[in-house]
Amino acid sequence: GQQLNQSPQSMFIQEGEDVSMNCTSSSIFNTWLWYKQEPGEGPVLLIALYKAGELTSNGRLTAQFGITRKDSFLNISASIPSDVGIYFCAGQKDSGYALNFGKGTSLLVTP
Amino acid sequence: DGGITQSPKYLFRKEGQNVTLSCEQNLNHDAMYWYRQDPGQGLRLIYYSQIVNDFQKGDIAEGYSVSREKKESFPLTVTSAQKNPTAFYLCASRADGNTIYFGEGSWLTVV
Repeated sequence: GQQLNQSPQSMFIQEGEDVSMNCTSSSIFNTWLWYKQEPGEGPVLLIALYKAGELTSNGRLTAQFGITRKDSFLNISASIPSDVGIYFCAGQKDSGYALNFGKGTSLLVTP
Repeated sequence: DGGITQSPKYLFRKEGQNVTLSCEQNLNHDAMYWYRQDPGQGLRLIYYSQIVNDFQKGDIAEGYSVSREKKESFPLTVTSAQKNPTAFYLCASRADGNTIYFGEGSWLTVV
């Protein structure tokens, strides 16, 4: 399966700053998902997007499904130290296919 | 408690041995997946199963085997043919629609 292009690879920011990361693909996807993974744990679903152009929020997190269906972004506003982790994007063509993952964005937040 | 349970959390394998990682879910999900995670590599698909008694190879199936005799269970065997098995292994299952949920992962180390 195709691996998605996720950027940036890592971010080191101060508490209170906003964060933006994105994911692009050469293929069209019908679903975009964003996960957060903490060390030694499985990824936890943050936001699921099912429709091109969809903008969805979950607390301080906002994600959008790109109009072309080939990209998605995730924003985190007013970051806090517990936002630390690796954020993965994942795309899926149809329900019969497995997810394709980006390589992750490692986020570090200093108090 | 509903969820995906992986066991053991930590496993050590001697070279030449087969080992089996357990994955159980009580979410009544039809589809289940196994991913492998290496540092900086994101998640790579090993095998997936859309329904009982059926499974498909993913991107890196060589050296692995699975079975799906029950809806709730999708064990992964890492065989001696897998030359570099040290990794973090993640099991997942899919709800109706395209949302995929993960277990907490299993660490496998070759000694």
